[in-house]
Parts: sequence; structure tokens; C-alpha cells
Amino acid sequence: QKEVEQNSGPLSVPEGAIASLNCTYSDRGSQSFFWYRQYSGKSPELIMFIYSNGDKEDGRFTAQLNKASQYVSLLIRDSQPSDSATYLCAAANYGGSQGNLIFGKGTKLSVKP
Amino acid sequence: DAGITQSPRHKVTETGTPVTLRCHQTENHRYMYWYRQDPGHGLRLIHYSYGVKDTDKGEVSDGYSVSRSKTEDFLLTLESATSSQTSVYFCAIRDDRGWYFGPGTRLTVT
Repeated sequence: QKEVEQNSGPLSVPEGAIASLNCTYSDRGSQSFFWYRQYSGKSPELIMFIYSNGDKEDGRFTAQLNKASQYVSLLIRDSQPSDSATYLCAAANYGGSQGNLIFGKGTKLSVKP
Repeated sequence: DAGITQSPRHKVTETGTPVTLRCHQTENHRYMYWYRQDPGHGLRLIHYSYGVKDTDKGEVSDGYSVSRSKTEDFLLTLESATSSQTSVYFCAIRDDRGWYFGPGTRLTVT
């Protein structure tokens, strides 16, 4: 069974702090990894993707990938109350041409003013 | 915004009735997907399409069928709705960067 595991939280951080979100995946054939942000009652919004080991930065967001440890993380710097949402980690295996995206159950982040 | 719309956005239906949900995209993407999202389960793949008339099953396909007669439309049909199919349904497209989701349909089966 291919799985992506995340701590469900809630993770609470003060405004301006760094929020650190983590996930692990079981399928060693996974090739790309994604972070989605989902506000309550809304659809998932793609905020970061990464496919190479190391760090990838985009604004206040940094995604980190360690394929040897099967570990993906998302750092949010200078957290804002508007970052309060559920963050979904997902892993994709392109073994079939259609791609297979496996989601974790999400980590709820709360940023306190 | 990946140009994805879903209809209806909300629906209440009775057990045993057929239901069709529509996903429409405007950007000519080849790959389209239907997911459901339930508390405690996360997002799970129902069916996907890799071209017109080309579809296949996902993880939780029992009780669902799909059709894609045009590139822009991907239909999900619940052949005989059951209470276990009460869920939020998301359509998605995939491009070179990743998967992008539509606004969702909240379906309640009473």
C-alpha cells in the first residue's frame, strides 16, 4: 500500500514565526512531490512542487526533499494568520503515463496573531 | 486558476438515484481526474482520463463510472447513489507542473 504520512496537527505557531510541516512517503518510485494549501470549504491549491533532492524556495515557502529518507518538508517563513489552513503533502509516481498522485491526510496549521 | 469548473456545486439526492457530476476545462489538458475527499481519508482517486474516450479506474472506483467524449468535459456518474458516496468531489487536471483542482461539488445522499 503506497502511503503518504503527515502529522494531523493542529500545528500552532505565532505570527512571524517559521512553520515547519513534514511528511514521509512509502513508495520509493515516487518522483515528484507537492504541497497543497486547502482553506476550509475550498479546493486544494498547489503552492510548491519539488523533484530533486535539496531545497527549493519560492517567496516565503521552502520545500525540502530527501529521497534517501523518503522525507519531504515545507517551511513557511514569517507566518501570517492568512497561512492558517490545512496543508496536504502528495507524492507522484509517473510509472503509468497518467501519473498516480497519493495524498497525505493533511496537517492543520494555525497562525496566531 | 487552471480554467476548471464543476457543476453542480452542491447537490442533495436520494439513495438509489443516478447522479452525474460535470467537470469542464478550457485549456485543452490531456489528463483529467476525479477525486473524493472525506474526513479521515484525505483525497482519493476515483477515475482518471488520459484522452478522449480513454479512461481508467482509480483507488475507489466501485459504484462510479466516467465518460469523456470531448477533451474539455469529464463526467462522473454515480449509477445508484448510496449514503457512503456523500462526499466532496474534486475534478483535477494535470500539466507539466502538477495537478490543479476545480472548486469541488458537495454531494449529500439522503
